[in-house]
Amino acid sequence: KNEVEQSPQNLTAQEGEFITINCSYSVGISALHWLQQHPGGGIVSLFMLSSGKKKHGRLIATINIQEKHSSLHITASHPRDSAVYICAVLPMDSNYQLIWGAGTKLIIKP
Amino acid sequence: DVKVTQSSRYLVKRTGEKVFLECVQDMDHENMFWYRQDPGLGLRLIYFSYDVKMKEKGDIPEGYSVSREKKERFSLILESASTNQTSMYLCASSLYPKRSGALSYEQYFGPGTRLTVT
Repeated sequence: KNEVEQSPQNLTAQEGEFITINCSYSVGISALHWLQQHPGGGIVSLFMLSSGKKKHGRLIATINIQEKHSSLHITASHPRDSAVYICAVLPMDSNYQLIWGAGTKLIIKP
Repeated sequence: DVKVTQSSRYLVKRTGEKVFLECVQDMDHENMFWYRQDPGLGLRLIYFSYDVKMKEKGDIPEGYSVSREKKERFSLILESASTNQTSMYLCASSLYPKRSGALSYEQYFGPGTRLTVT
């Protein structure tokens, strides 16, 4: 069993829909990282969080430490949001290595 | 803004060649990382460095070595390139969480180098 699991693996939605991507993990963590990777390779950091909720524009990330679960929401989705969204966790006993999820491929159709 | 640059976006090398991939960051980050990314496998850590001249093996170090002579620069070396090293290589940097706290541990990535070994 992977230590970090994302769901769904693939998601196709219509422009304007509310999107939720989930990340579950099995280890104790210091923080959780959400990143975005567009076609062409570049990876961009979206959020780093250890409790509660963070918001940036149309993106919202939440985390429930007790349930070992985080969600990334996109409101009013747009085709430019099409990308792979990756979740990674920093285990409590680590200062260097993140444990990576496999990513969720999101396609937003106009 | 943090900037992480990589020496090449695309590289084609022959089997057996020695390959150098360079990464430079401009934010005085202690940690630097080299990953490879293959379809269906996600990001896999090759090596990381937490200080000048310090390095630690990641999950897949075989066939690779690294060098960190200056804080801002982290090089990945393929001593004798092989076709199974054809991949996307991504460099990243971050602050050291023990000094700055776990939330400072965001990793900032370079644009990637797509290496093809023929």
